Amino acid sequence: RKEVEQDPGPFNVPEGATVAFNCTYSNSASQSFFWYRQDCRKEPKLLMSVYSSGNEDGRFTAQLNRASQYISLLIRDSKLSDSATYLCVVNSNQGGKLIFGQGTELSVKP
Amino acid sequence: ETGVTQSPTHLIKTRGQQVTLRCSSQSGHNTVSWYQQALGQGPQFIFQYYREEENGRGNFPPRFSGLQFPNYSSELNVNALELDDSALYLCASSAQQGSQETQYFGPGTRLLVL
Repeated sequence: RKEVEQDPGPFNVPEGATVAFNCTYSNSASQSFFWYRQDCRKEPKLLMSVYSSGNEDGRFTAQLNRASQYISLLIRDSKLSDSATYLCVVNSNQGGKLIFGQGTELSVKP
Repeated sequence: ETGVTQSPTHLIKTRGQQVTLRCSSQSGHNTVSWYQQALGQGPQFIFQYYREEENGRGNFPPRFSGLQFPNYSSELNVNALELDDSALYLCASSAQQGSQETQYFGPGTRLLVL
């Protein structure tokens, strides 16, 4: 079993749609959780950290369920510029080792 | 921009050769982590350096080695290159080592091994 698993992609959605990405992690001792965004042939960039209480940043909402070891990302009112690969990331608690899911590709169409 | 720089941007090597990749961390950051990202996969942790000492290593063979310098810049060295080493190599810097620190990635070095 992979340490971090994400929904298989790609997700193809029209502009304005709401899209949700799901992710599960295997290490119950993990403390830090993130969503990164990666554009084609570019480096990953931090989209948002994920907190137990849930957090929102504009059109983006992240949720964490520690009991189920489940992380989600909701994007409302999708824009063409949201097209990218979204990476679910867990900090392993082994210093700063980040464990990445394989990523889910999102394509927003006009 | 994150302020993390990497060089070179692209590199082509042949099997069996050796390669050195370089990373300059963001100002004020003393921790550098290296990741390998194969096509279609998420990045995989290679190792991390904190104040010039290796501070954690992923599941990579000893031919992957590194250094961190007093100015906190870092090098990744790969010996005896194999075809499967073809990937995007990313470095990330953070202000401290630890699970709560955000890591900021550089643009990466694309390595192709023929």
